[in-house]
Amino acid sequence: EAGVAQSPRYKIIEKRQSVAFWCNPISGHATLYWYQQILGQGPKLLIQFQNNGVVDDSQLPKDRFSAERLKGVDSTLKIQPAKLEDSAVYLCASSPGTSGGAQYFGPGTRLTVL
Amino acid sequence: GEDVEQSLFLSVREGDSSVINCTYTDSSSTYLYWYKQEPGAGLQLLTYIFSNMDMKQDQRLTVLLNKKDKHLSLRIADTQTGDSAIYFCAESIRNNDMRFGAGTRLTVKP
Repeated sequence: EAGVAQSPRYKIIEKRQSVAFWCNPISGHATLYWYQQILGQGPKLLIQFQNNGVVDDSQLPKDRFSAERLKGVDSTLKIQPAKLEDSAVYLCASSPGTSGGAQYFGPGTRLTVL
Repeated sequence: GEDVEQSLFLSVREGDSSVINCTYTDSSSTYLYWYKQEPGAGLQLLTYIFSNMDMKQDQRLTVLLNKKDKHLSLRIADTQTGDSAIYFCAESIRNNDMRFGAGTRLTVKP
């Protein structure tokens, strides 16, 4: 079974530029998550989708971050405009169920904002 | 407190047992997890335990849960150099959200 796929793996941009990340979850997984992992910290949830609906986006900085999951499969996370403090690894995860159960993570996208 | 807490570093010799400790925050958490992260990689699920259990064993891994103290531990028997990584404890909260600790960096010396 293929795991969670993410691209790109690395991205370097200048502050105030825009960037987008893509995630393809494990086939059949209803729930998709985006996390931000700053160096030396654990992942922090940005947004959770169940199918194509948003379950929780309370931690998403909506003035600059947006995410969508059209058709309930792939998802994109966008930052516009980027700030220096957005430098982090952005992790996508998916889980099969609607409550409980483990989340399976992709390899992440490492973003550096200069 | 609001945070899942873990000690930041642990160093052991190859062949010894490693014990990584964690305290979590929400007494209503239904699941508690251990993830492993190697350099440049995402998080790999190692094991998880339901909150109505107090122990789970899976090959070299043993998870102990003390609900009263909200304390979770991961024991790795016969630790190998390939076990060197960062280990994250996580609790499930509402809507299956997870709250992670900052991670414990395990170094295994030959």
